[in-house]
This record gives sequence, C-alpha cells and structure tokens, in this order.
Amino acid sequence: QKEVEQNSGPLSVPEGAIASLNCTYSDRVSQSFFWYRQYSGKSPELIMSIYSNGDKEDGRFTAQLNKASQYVSLLIRDSQPSDSATYLCAVRASGGSYIPTFGRGTSLIVHP
Amino acid sequence: GAGVSQSPSNKVTEKGKDVELRCDPISGHTALYWYRQSLGQGLEFLIYFQGNSAPDKSGLPSDRFSAERTGGSVSTLTIQRTQQEDSAVYLCASSPRATSGGITDTQYFGPGTRLTVL
Repeated sequence: QKEVEQNSGPLSVPEGAIASLNCTYSDRVSQSFFWYRQYSGKSPELIMSIYSNGDKEDGRFTAQLNKASQYVSLLIRDSQPSDSATYLCAVRASGGSYIPTFGRGTSLIVHP
Repeated sequence: GAGVSQSPSNKVTEKGKDVELRCDPISGHTALYWYRQSLGQGLEFLIYFQGNSAPDKSGLPSDRFSAERTGGSVSTLTIQRTQQEDSAVYLCASSPRATSGGITDTQYFGPGTRLTVL
C-alpha cells in the first residue's frame, strides 16, 4: 500500500513569515513529486513539481526533495494571506503506473 | 488556452437514481483521471485512461461505478443506483502522455462536479 503522509494542520503563520509544509512517502521507487494548492471549494492547482534530490525554487516557493529520507517539503517565503489554502502532496512511482498517490493535505492559514 | 471542463457543476439526486458526470480534457492530453474528494478528505483515485489502452479501474469502489472515454477525448463517469455515501466532489484531471522520465505527467484539474445524494 503506497502511502503519502501529511500533517493535516492547520499550520498558522504570520504574514511575511516562512511556511514549511512537509510530506513523507512510503514507496521507495517514487520518481515524481508534486505540490498542489487547493482553495476552499476549488479544484487543486499545481504549484511545484520536483524530480531530483535537492531544492527547486520558483518565486516565493521552494520544493525540497530527499529521496534517501523519503520526504518532500514545500517552503513558502514571505507568506501572504492569499496563500491560505490546503496544500496537497502527490507522489508517483516510476514504471507503468502513472497514477499518483495524494496525501490528505495540510491546511495553511496566514494571518495578517 | 481552454482548461479541463466538467459538467454539471452541481448535481442533486435522489438515492437509487443513476447519474452521469462529464469531463472534457485539455485538447491533446492523452491521459485522463477521475478522482473523488469527500469533505475534508484527500483525493481518492477512481479510474485512469491513457490513449487507447485499457483503463485502470482499480480505484472504482463498486460495480455501480463505471466510466468510458469516447474517441480518446471526452469521458463520462456513471454512478448507478446512487447511495448517500456517493456524495462528494468528483474531479477530473488530464495530462500529456508521460515521457519515460515522467517529466510531462503534470495533472491539470477541472473545477469538479459536486454530487449530493439525498
């Protein structure tokens, strides 16, 4: 059973702070990792994808992948109230299955 | 360009009725996924279509659920004899065909259909 674990939160941070969201996964052969943002009542939208160990930066967002420790994280710098949403981690293994496994998501609240 | 579209956006039905949910993927995307999301829960995989290959139905919760994809484009998810526990948001996503490195397998989600079974 492939599992993707996230702390459900809510994670509450003040505006301007760094928000750190973490995700662990059980399948060692996982190859593709995604972070989606989902506003309440809306569908998920892709924030970041990462495939190699290390950091990947895109604007205020940084994804960090450590395959040896089986975790992937998302850092949001200079957090804004508009970042308040649920963040879903998704993991896909290599090989024939193109079906990613999603975590339950972490609720982030950025307060002014 | 146009994203993934789904219809209807909301559907209220009575227990025991059949419902059909429609998904129009992004043009040119060969992979199509159906998920459902219950309140406060994560995404539950239902079924996956890739080109002309046989669909992966491993996530369908019962034989009341079925889906088809006509002409490699539009997909319909059918739920027969609906039950109250079927109430959820049903999400469709599409993606380009994945390369061997999996680099192009980003999923793009539609707005979802909120199904309420009374």
